[in-house]
Amino acid sequence: RKEVEQDPGPFNVPEGATVAFNCTYSNSASQSFFWYRQDCRKEPKLLMSVYSSGNEDGRFTAQLNRASQYISLLIRDSKLSDSATYLCVVNMETGGSYIPTFGRGTSLIVHP
Amino acid sequence: DGGITQSPKYLFRKEGQNVTLSCEQNLNHDAMYWYRQDPGQGLRLIYYSQIVNDFQKGDIAEGYSVSREKKESFPLTVTSAQKNPTAFYLCASSPGLANYGYTFGSGTRLTVV
Repeated sequence: RKEVEQDPGPFNVPEGATVAFNCTYSNSASQSFFWYRQDCRKEPKLLMSVYSSGNEDGRFTAQLNRASQYISLLIRDSKLSDSATYLCVVNMETGGSYIPTFGRGTSLIVHP
Repeated sequence: DGGITQSPKYLFRKEGQNVTLSCEQNLNHDAMYWYRQDPGQGLRLIYYSQIVNDFQKGDIAEGYSVSREKKESFPLTVTSAQKNPTAFYLCASSPGLANYGYTFGSGTRLTVV
């Protein structure tokens, strides 16, 4: 079983739509969680951290459900510029260190 | 501006050659990481270093080597023992604490010719 799993998509949505992605993780001792955005042939860039209480940044909302071991990302009022791959990252404790483990990413395509 | 720099951006290697990819950061981060990304795939951890003069193998370390002689630098050598080295290589750094995210360099595309 993979440690961090995401639906690869693609999610194909019209501008203005609301879209949500989930990411499940296997290690219940995982400490911290992030969403990254990766554009084609570019490096990943931090979109937002995910806190236990949930957090919002403009059109983006991230949630953490520790009991069910998943995190989610909600994008409201999708823009063409939101088209990218969204990577879920989980910090897993390994031998006293925190090692980032990445999901394969979920592809989002926003069309006019 | 602080950041993390990878060079070269593109690299071509003949079979049987070793090549070294550079990664330098001026963010004063303790931890540095090397990842490999294949088309349509996620990032796979090659090596990581939490402190100078110490590093650990990741999930796919075979055929790779690293050094961490300075806090700012974490070069990756792709040896001839790596059977399928063509990939996008990404270096990242972090303050090394659990709740901080990771900053990536712009990557090196390695192609074996």
